Amino acid sequence: QSALTQPASVSGSPGQSITISCTGTSSDVGNYNFVSWYQHHPGKAPKLIIYEVNKRPSGVSNLFSGSKSGNTASLTISGLQAEDEADYYCCSYAGIITPYVFGTGTKVTVL
Amino acid sequence: QVQLQESGPGLVKPSGTLSLTCTVSGGSISSSNWWSWVRQPPGQGLEWIGEIYLGGSTNYNPSLKSRVTISVDKSKNQFSLRLSAVTAADTAVYYCARVQSQLALAMDVWGQGTTVTVSS
Repeated sequence: QSALTQPASVSGSPGQSITISCTGTSSDVGNYNFVSWYQHHPGKAPKLIIYEVNKRPSGVSNLFSGSKSGNTASLTISGLQAEDEADYYCCSYAGIITPYVFGTGTKVTVL
Repeated sequence: QVQLQESGPGLVKPSGTLSLTCTVSGGSISSSNWWSWVRQPPGQGLEWIGEIYLGGSTNYNPSLKSRVTISVDKSKNQFSLRLSAVTAADTAVYYCARVQSQLALAMDVWGQGTTVTVSS
């Protein structure tokens, strides 16, 4: 099972919206709605920000939203803030043999 | 609120066995049926290692399956990771995480991570 493909980096100015793509295959992203997104500040624990493609856990800002089309999932950060600067990883359920596959990760920079 | 804490040696010799424990506090390990281990090698992304069901069944990343064992001790509110025949490629920050079936199998609680270096 190969890692899901994400852009290495995405940047934007404060207040702008950015979108991070996460491309998999018909065996993972395309076959299940079990796509989650994690925000990871270096040295800290990863934080769940989106689950089941487009749902937000309690307490997560509504500036984060998720979607999926075919084999590609996307995370949008609307109204970019300085504290959003972090690494972001998607993750998809991929079946009983290899239940989880992570994305390659995207570094978000706030200009 | 459930919290997770990884513990174990920070340095392991090549060909040795890496052993880590994740302690669940602020709640019961029975708060979820599935618990996972994830790692991040230096400069790289997250890699799922494996998971354990409270009933004892496990799933492992095929790339690590021959070397990994995950176990659970419900009486101690802990689950553990053993990785044998380690090499420098196993140097990473290791995280434990709770898998929440109510959240479509997302990992909703993570430990802070512990750095393990494989070196002689």
